[in-house]
Amino acid sequence: EAQVTQNPRYLITVTGKKLTVTCSQNMNHEYMSWYRQDPGLGLRQIYYSMNVEVTDKGDVPEGYKVSRKEKRNFPLILESPSPNQTSLYFCASSWGGTDTQYFGPGTRLTVL
Amino acid sequence: AQSVTQPDIHITVSEGASLELRCNYSYGATPYLFWYVQSPGQGLQLLLKYFSGDTLVQGIKGFEAEFKRSQSSFNLRKPSVHWSDAAEYFCAVGLSGNTPLVFGKGTRLSVIA
Repeated sequence: EAQVTQNPRYLITVTGKKLTVTCSQNMNHEYMSWYRQDPGLGLRQIYYSMNVEVTDKGDVPEGYKVSRKEKRNFPLILESPSPNQTSLYFCASSWGGTDTQYFGPGTRLTVL
Repeated sequence: AQSVTQPDIHITVSEGASLELRCNYSYGATPYLFWYVQSPGQGLQLLLKYFSGDTLVQGIKGFEAEFKRSQSSFNLRKPSVHWSDAAEYFCAVGLSGNTPLVFGKGTRLSVIA
């Protein structure tokens, strides 16, 4: 089954404790991206990747890191999480930036 | 600056009534246009998309959308709403190539009996 998986689905952590949210897709897509969703703000792109070892900043990259060492995986790293990063995070993949994006189920992160 | 506007934050319709969700964009060229739906606790699912050609596009679940260049709009419609359509709907816009999509802030649809 074609899908995008994210782990964990729910995470409660404390300020400053490094964390990684994993994202994996099995559709051989070249393009992957991370979004955060906040009430009243819709979806905002954090980072995107057009291919292996190629990443670029989206609209709200501050406080986040990503890597793309393999085509299927695109982890999101929060080196020192802060409460303003409490949000719902989605990973998505597609053939290209303007192609249909396939979204993961989301990761709800709470930073205390 | 490029932008996408969904003027309605929340809409309530009766089951069986017709629905129209508005989306306006501000881009220099004709962009690629998408509507996504997010059911409670779920990720986003594509309803339909417009790249070129016929300006009336059909999507899944009985939805359709019409691209109107003169109005810079891409409104989503459904003739008869079902209770299962209650969800949040996002319009998204992009340019050619790998330019990231820009999403509107969403419209939450409630369906009442």
